[in-house]
Amino acid sequence: AQSVTQLDSHVSVSEGTPVLLRCNYSSSYSPSLFWYVQHPNKGLQLLLKYTSAATLVKGINGFEAEFKKSETSFHLTKPSAHMSDAAEYFCVVRESGYSTLTFGKGTMLLVSP
Amino acid sequence: NAGVTQTPKFQVLKTGQSMTLQCAQDMNHNSMYWYRQDPGMGLRLIYYSASEGTTDKGEVPNGYNVSRLNKREFSLRLESAAPSQTSVYFCASSEAWGSNQPQHFGDGTRLSIL
Repeated sequence: AQSVTQLDSHVSVSEGTPVLLRCNYSSSYSPSLFWYVQHPNKGLQLLLKYTSAATLVKGINGFEAEFKKSETSFHLTKPSAHMSDAAEYFCVVRESGYSTLTFGKGTMLLVSP
Repeated sequence: NAGVTQTPKFQVLKTGQSMTLQCAQDMNHNSMYWYRQDPGMGLRLIYYSASEGTTDKGEVPNGYNVSRLNKREFSLRLESAAPSQTSVYFCASSEAWGSNQPQHFGDGTRLSIL
């Protein structure tokens, strides 16, 4: 069975400093991995996806994530935080050949001026 | 460019009342999903429809029923609402079952049951 662990429930950064949101997964087969962002009272928006191509994945708004199979990790990073990045972020895994998703519990990113 | 549309956006019910949440997508997707989101729990799958004419239970199906009305529409019904069903409900769709394409989400229905 697949599972996702987001290691921090909350992360606080200052505007202009780097962002690191950590995610570990467990999966029996070659997974697809996603990061979604949710702004207050909104639905989930796809940030980026890994589907067995390049291990370093670039997404929207300057975010990127690196798939590390040996560490079963898929951490999300951004070089410089912006106030508009404040939101909740979800790491998601999908088993190869299936469409059902397993969500992490989310990390709330707080950005201070 | 609507994507996935959910109605209503907000609803308050009394315990024991029934309600249907509506979802429609205009992307010609084959697969559709219903999730609930509770604080600190992420999203949990209630039911899904891999293709028109099929539905299957997800992780938390108890107390819910679904109908895949046609390719565009997938509704979620609460027959006898309970306070434990207070949650934010999200509908999603994807191109096809098993494809590498991501799911697209609606903006959610915020449901309170008193």
